Amino acid sequence: QLQLQESGPGLVKPSETLSLTCNVSGDSISSSTHYWGWIRQPPGKGLEWIGSIFYGGSTFDNPSLKGRVTISIDMSKNQFSLRLRSVTAADTAVYYCARLAYCSSSSCYFHHWGQGTLVTVSS
Amino acid sequence: EIVLTQSPATLSLSPGERATLSCRASQSIYSYLAWYQQRPGQAPRLLIYDASNRATGIPARFSGSGSGTDFTLTISSLEPEDFAVYYCQQRSNWLLTFGGGTKVEIK
Repeated sequence: QLQLQESGPGLVKPSETLSLTCNVSGDSISSSTHYWGWIRQPPGKGLEWIGSIFYGGSTFDNPSLKGRVTISIDMSKNQFSLRLRSVTAADTAVYYCARLAYCSSSSCYFHHWGQGTLVTVSS
Repeated sequence: EIVLTQSPATLSLSPGERATLSCRASQSIYSYLAWYQQRPGQAPRLLIYDASNRATGIPARFSGSGSGTDFTLTISSLEPEDFAVYYCQQRSNWLLTFGGGTKVEIK
């Protein structure tokens, strides 16, 4: 059974880099043909897509985050990671990792989700 | 960027009633739309993909319809566990966006 688990610091200082890892079990990233992604949800607000990565290394990120996003895959550890640079209080949110499915040339949906981890940006 | 607008923001209904949720896209997304349910304190769960296909394990009381710019999620008879927030989502040119959500609350 596929399981995703986010991990990383729960508190990050303003202007620093937020780093999270998503550990995948029940599926091998190196043999999978799926996309993997990150989504966040500020407290009491809606969902925002951060970015996605294909097992072959292609990445896509939300332009609203102004190039601050890096997503990478570590196949040896069966995990993928998020780095968000120059954070501010506006980046405080629950961060989810997910595996996408039903992807085509015009569609891709978040089928399996991690439980989410709260990251607070504060000095 | 394609903007998804959900209405109403809040829907107050009783168990057993029918819920009808709307999602409108700022331009045509054909049938490439998904619906998610998020219960308090939980991650979202995929309900419907490609506008009308139920994801694995989703009860038949959930159905999706629509194409182009107007989409509907219908819950035929609300169960207690269906009171939650629902989001729609699309992907266009590798920019994925969500609607603002509709909260279905107990009347």
